[in-house]
Amino acid sequence: AQSVTQLGSHVSVSEGALVLLRCNYSSSVPPYLFWYVQYPNQGLQLLLKYTSAATLVKGINGFEAEFKKSETSFHLTKPSAHMSDAAEYFCAVTMNTGFQKLVFGTGTRLLVSP
Amino acid sequence: EPEVTQTPSHQVTQMGQEVILRCVPISNHLYFYWYRQILGQKVEFLVSFYNNEISEKSEIFDDQFSVERPDGSNFTLKIRSTKLEDSAMYFCASSVVGPEKLFFGSGTQLSVL
Repeated sequence: AQSVTQLGSHVSVSEGALVLLRCNYSSSVPPYLFWYVQYPNQGLQLLLKYTSAATLVKGINGFEAEFKKSETSFHLTKPSAHMSDAAEYFCAVTMNTGFQKLVFGTGTRLLVSP
Repeated sequence: EPEVTQTPSHQVTQMGQEVILRCVPISNHLYFYWYRQILGQKVEFLVSFYNNEISEKSEIFDDQFSVERPDGSNFTLKIRSTKLEDSAMYFCASSVVGPEKLFFGSGTQLSVL
């Protein structure tokens, strides 16, 4: 079975500060990993994904994540937070074979203060 | 940009009533999904649908749930007799190539009283 754990239901940063949202995964087979963002009253939007190519993945809006197999982690980072980054962020995992469902984490709400 | 459309955005119903949640996936997509999120909990997979049949379903998706793609454009989730614990945000998603690139709708907030 696969799962993801997101540490911290809420993360607060100041505008311009580093954003670090943590995600650890558990998977018995090589995983595909995803970060989704949800803005208020909107659906889930794909930020970036790891599908066994480069371990450092760049996404939209300046976000990136690094797949670290030894640490079973896929943390999301952004060098400088913007007010518009305030949203809920979800890490998700699926198996890299065939047609499989996504398994989501509980989400982390990012708060950005001026 | 094409998007997945869900209606209604909010649905309030009485326990025991039937509800139908509607979704219009992106037109050239082939894979369709329903997920739900109970307040404060994880986004959970309910069911996937491909080639006019269910591909996979979770333990949550019991006999009270059904899905249908009645006319080649809509994708519906029916809950036959709602329970209080069905109260959640329900997300529809669609994809061309499976879970690697899902497009999600903005969700239907279902409240069962």
